[in-house]
Amino acid sequence: DAKTTQPNSMESNEEEPVHLPCNHSTISGTDYIHWYRQLPSQGPEYVIHGLTSNVNNRMASLAIAEDRKSSTLILHRATLRDAAVYYCISVPYSGGGADGLTFGKGTHLIIQP
Amino acid sequence: NAGVTQTPKFQVLKTGQSMTLQCAQDMNHEYMSWYRQDPGMGLRLIHYSVGAGITDQGEVPNGYNVSRSTTEDFPLRLLSAAPSQTSVYFCASSYRLAGAYEQYFGPGTRLTVT
Repeated sequence: DAKTTQPNSMESNEEEPVHLPCNHSTISGTDYIHWYRQLPSQGPEYVIHGLTSNVNNRMASLAIAEDRKSSTLILHRATLRDAAVYYCISVPYSGGGADGLTFGKGTHLIIQP
Repeated sequence: NAGVTQTPKFQVLKTGQSMTLQCAQDMNHEYMSWYRQDPGMGLRLIHYSVGAGITDQGEVPNGYNVSRSTTEDFPLRLLSAAPSQTSVYFCASSYRLAGAYEQYFGPGTRLTVT
């Protein structure tokens, strides 16, 4: 699986947009980019995933660079409930993640009121 | 739907004891997996299953056994507990969404081995 690199922590203010970066320079052309988040004392939850195009859902947006070597998870208006560890994960198309995901340490997002 | 459920929520074992962590899902997902998470770390895959009767090893399988006799249940057995197995254990099930598998995680079992 391609290695991803994320900042250890980021801080943002409530009700402001948050841009969480992820580098994946060794990603192959058919690897998906998945984002999960883990709230304190809970299991991870799926946020969003994409392949080439930018993606939007009710939780967030995912912007993928044209060369696919990096991506950005965008929370449009952060709330205190968004404080969590965010994981950027490269997932091979062939498996699609059915054989498990490879988690790094993620980015600890702190939201200030 | 209850989603993915895990029991117990907390467990303390003595070194050498054995136990089974239970995991069940009611979403009819074909794929299930077990992870462990040590303090300050990401999750590591222990075992996974791609369907009833089919299991395979993940990154850290030593000291653990699994079986999958039904679609709904995927128990994790600790054969002889060791302090190094102190961790939080998460079970997950998944289904294919738009070309990749979205995973649903349970609330976790916090295990302490003394």
